[in-house]
Amino acid sequence: SQQGEEDPQALSIQEGENATMNCSYKTSINNLQWYRQNSGRGLVHLILIRSNEREKHSGRLRVTLDTSKKSSSLLITASRAADTASYFCATTGTGTALIFGKGTTLSVSS
Amino acid sequence: DAGVIQSPRHEVTEMGQEVTLRCKPISGHDYLFWYRQTMMRGLELLIYFNNNVPIDDSGMPEDRFSAKMPNASFSTLKIQPSEPRDSAVYFCASSPPGTKETQYFGPGTRLLVL
Repeated sequence: SQQGEEDPQALSIQEGENATMNCSYKTSINNLQWYRQNSGRGLVHLILIRSNEREKHSGRLRVTLDTSKKSSSLLITASRAADTASYFCATTGTGTALIFGKGTTLSVSS
Repeated sequence: DAGVIQSPRHEVTEMGQEVTLRCKPISGHDYLFWYRQTMMRGLELLIYFNNNVPIDDSGMPEDRFSAKMPNASFSTLKIQPSEPRDSAVYFCASSPPGTKETQYFGPGTRLLVL
């Protein structure tokens, strides 16, 4: 069963713009992660935020977590064509392995 | 360092045939996961191992699917007999000791069952 639901399903922007993707989940979590998948490739781990954290940064990535709303957002600033990929949120709860959402497909055009 | 290695990268087979997918996790990792990805269902966890022992196989769709991990550096996912609805990309992932949170994915095996 899927835990995370990403929104929007697809996003198209121009290079240099910011991209924001959202993830909502249903049950209590220990942490939430974001992964990227380039076409035809495996998933690559981007960032992990724990349930007691509210915001985390990594380079051009900013992740927020609101456990009261059971939601997270991933912001990619100053996007590049190389950021074109699908982005997945994944959650871990007590005794569970990662549960992935269906992803947001981001297209960045130059 | 080599990442997770999967073979074959592509497999085309006919319905009813046996299919074996292989995975070599990152050296030193003690968690291993098998996932299936389709457009309709997204990324689904099939089974995962810790220290070569299956921990959760509740995602394995049917008895036609089986997975083994005979040692720390090798795992197989077998489908027998295969059916067209098994067509998907199958990913293997591994995690370092003590955590199954951050996973390192292989490139996947694209399976087509005709």
